[in-house]
Amino acid sequence: DAGITQSPRHKVTETGTPVTLRCHQTENHRYMYWYRQDPGHGLRLIHYSYGVKDTDKGEVSDGYSVSRSKTEDFLLTLESATSSQTSVYFCAIRVGTTYEQYFGPGTRLTVT
Amino acid sequence: KNEVEQSPQNLTAQEGEFITINCSYSVGISALHWLQQHPGGGIVSLFMLSSGKKKHGRLIATINIQEKHSSLHITASHPRDSAVYICAVPDSGGGADGLTFGKGTHLIIQP
Repeated sequence: DAGITQSPRHKVTETGTPVTLRCHQTENHRYMYWYRQDPGHGLRLIHYSYGVKDTDKGEVSDGYSVSRSKTEDFLLTLESATSSQTSVYFCAIRVGTTYEQYFGPGTRLTVT
Repeated sequence: KNEVEQSPQNLTAQEGEFITINCSYSVGISALHWLQQHPGGGIVSLFMLSSGKKKHGRLIATINIQEKHSSLHITASHPRDSAVYICAVPDSGGGADGLTFGKGTHLIIQP
């Protein structure tokens, strides 16, 4: 499982509240990714990181911010959650110089 | 941006049948990723391949880079193979190579 954990695994929150999801890895991989998975859309890239304090936007970054202050942790923040951000969120790491990615167990977020 | 298409979207088959799932993409790539997701479960990497064929147990993946096409085959299918199978390619625009995904093929193997 490449030592990836996500927390929390499930969360229900109200519209307008801030939410932070955490991805933690134990193997010092440089590249980390946040994806969301929605019916009819599949998986889509939100943000990614290519090192400590180095992050960039993906396809669906509006309404999300990220931070990476140390190699092992990549945080995804919804500053003011909206119902359209109800989704399953997956963190992933990229192994070495290949394009292969390994995924965390996912966080199911419901915004009411 | 690469466009990734999978077919079929849904597939129901009987135990023991030979299964083929197809993936095509619009922009040339150097590698393609096949993933598996069981209902309510996490996403597991099956294969990363850049040419030819790879085999792991009853799963076989092939890729034709010139035709921008890959197939995932399952031999002697079993109900435990029931899952969503997803193909993905590196994002052609991103330096850190996030993935662009197909929408997945929902496979059900009936006993």
